[in-house]
Amino acid sequence: EDQVTQSPEALRLQEGESSSLNCSYTVSGLRGLFWYRQDPGKGPEFLFTLYSAGEEKEKERLKATLTKKESFLHITAPKPEDSATYLCAGGGSQGNLIFGKGTKLSVKP
Amino acid sequence: GAGVSQSPSNKVTEKGKDVELRCDPISGHTALYWYRQSLGQGLEFLIYFQGNSAPDKSGLPSDRFSAERTGGSVSTLTIQRTQQEDSAVYLCASSGRQGTQPQHFGDGTRLSIL
Repeated sequence: EDQVTQSPEALRLQEGESSSLNCSYTVSGLRGLFWYRQDPGKGPEFLFTLYSAGEEKEKERLKATLTKKESFLHITAPKPEDSATYLCAGGGSQGNLIFGKGTKLSVKP
Repeated sequence: GAGVSQSPSNKVTEKGKDVELRCDPISGHTALYWYRQSLGQGLEFLIYFQGNSAPDKSGLPSDRFSAERTGGSVSTLTIQRTQQEDSAVYLCASSGRQGTQPQHFGDGTRLSIL
């Protein structure tokens, strides 16, 4: 069965304290590994797609990496505006996304 | 606007009533997806359309749920005889092509069944 698991469920950081979010996946015929950011009351906002092991992508303070079993979202020197829920999803063979339950990140000033 | 538009943003209805949720995808996007997000749960895939056809209906939770898409654009998700467990946020997404292209989401319809 296709499955995506994210850890930790919640993460509290001080401003400037770097950390990583984990996404483990088992998705048959994976068609991309996707990261989204979701703010309260809003739909998920697309961040990155990774297609092959070893691939990395960066955007501002965020860097996503991919191995054959896991993806990591590294947050460098976070700011309070980075507070959100970060969602990881595997692209399924039917074109749908299989989502994890997310990591809720809080960054305190 | 340029993004995915969903309406209504909020819907409160009584148990047993039918509801219709609407999604207006990004112009030119041929693939359209419906997901459900319940409190404390991840996003759950419901159905997707490529053009007007829905090759995969496996995610619909029961036969009370149906969806259609006309003109390769607007889609409606209909829930008949609503139950309290249908309360959730229903999210719509679209992409340029089914498969590896990223899906872009609307802000959802928050459905509450009394």
